[in-house]
Amino acid sequence: GDSVTQMEGPVTLSEEACLTINCTYTATGYPSLFWYVQYPGEGLQLLLKATKADDKGSNKGFEATYRKETTSFHLEKGSVQVSDSAVYFCALRSFSGNTPLVFGKGTRLSVIA
Amino acid sequence: ETGVTQTPRHLVMGMTNKKSLKCEQHLGHNAMYWYKQSAKKPLELMFVYSLEERVENNSVPSRFSPECPNSSHLFLHLHTLQPEDSALYLCASSQDLGVSYGYTFGSGTRLTVV
Repeated sequence: GDSVTQMEGPVTLSEEACLTINCTYTATGYPSLFWYVQYPGEGLQLLLKATKADDKGSNKGFEATYRKETTSFHLEKGSVQVSDSAVYFCALRSFSGNTPLVFGKGTRLSVIA
Repeated sequence: ETGVTQTPRHLVMGMTNKKSLKCEQHLGHNAMYWYKQSAKKPLELMFVYSLEERVENNSVPSRFSPECPNSSHLFLHLHTLQPEDSALYLCASSQDLGVSYGYTFGSGTRLTVV
């Protein structure tokens, strides 16, 4: 079945450091790919998405590129802030049937000043 | 405010109680979902509704009973729960079940079963 694998956390970075959170997937066909973010005490918020190969999703300084050849959708940010501290979830939605979102386990990011 | 509202935000209940979680969306979405988020475990999809019809039930124990009276409201009725049911319960909605639609989540109900 469809699945998403994310790098294990937690990830701790200093402010203004570069961030990469790895995400790879297994799916039939051509899924849509998503990154969600969950701030403390809140639900998940859509951060960015990409619906076809080579698409780049971007939002709030975060970027991720849909790489079909490596089945990856890594999340990147050039300079993190303390306010980026949260849990980040990679997710996919397969093209086959009315399948719901499949989530990775989440990666906790802590940014220290 | 995401457009998906969940109440209550926090709930403590005994194992013999009956309670209900409520989710409301005014985004004009046609699909709604219940997820369970437990510490150190992946998000678990519980139920999926599309146009008020249940389309998926992921082997959830019968002590959880969903209800979708219209496309804007979704309930999760709880009875005789166990302590391991303590978790954050998240409601989400999407425009449709189509593949490119992301979900809009509520802030969740933090449930503690004592």
